[in-house]
Amino acid sequence: EAQVTQNPRYLITVTGKKLTVTCSQNMNHEYMSWYRQDPGLGLRQIYYSMNVEVTDKGDVPEGYKVSRKEKRNFPLILESPSPNQTSLYFCASAREGSTDTQYFGPGTRLTVL
Amino acid sequence: AQSVTQLDSHVSVSEGTPVLLRCNYSSSYSPSLFWYVQHPNKGLQLLLKYTSAATLVKGINGFEAEFKKSETSFHLTKPSAHMSDAAEYFCVVSRYNFNKFYFGSGTKLNVKP
Repeated sequence: EAQVTQNPRYLITVTGKKLTVTCSQNMNHEYMSWYRQDPGLGLRQIYYSMNVEVTDKGDVPEGYKVSRKEKRNFPLILESPSPNQTSLYFCASAREGSTDTQYFGPGTRLTVL
Repeated sequence: AQSVTQLDSHVSVSEGTPVLLRCNYSSSYSPSLFWYVQHPNKGLQLLLKYTSAATLVKGINGFEAEFKKSETSFHLTKPSAHMSDAAEYFCVVSRYNFNKFYFGSGTKLNVKP
């Protein structure tokens, strides 16, 4: 089954404790992206990647890092999480040249205390 | 600069009556426009997209949207609401062939029996 998976689905952590949210897709997509969703703000793009070793900033990259060492994986790294990063995070992927059709993962709900 | 304004945060309709979800966009370039749907506790699914072809776009589940450049609008409609349409809907703008996406704040659609 074609899908985008995220782990963990739920995470509660404390300020300053480094964490990684994994994202993996099995569709051989070149494009991958991370979003955060906050009430009343919709989704905002954090980072995206056009292919292995090619990443770029979205609208709200501050406080986040990403890497793309393999085509299928696009982890989101919070090196020193803060409470304002409490949010629902979505990973998405798409075929190169067809980024208008993104496939979204199920979401990761992160709470930073 | 690109942005999207969804004019209603909540819309409530009775089953079997028409649905209208309003979206206005701002774009420095010819935009690509999308509607995504998010059912409770689920990821996002593409409903339909406009990418400079026909101005009236048909999507899944009987939804359609019309691109009106003169009004900078891309409203989503459906002739007859079904209970399963209850969800949150996001209007999204992107520059064609680019890789950044800007989401509206969302419209929650409630369908009453």
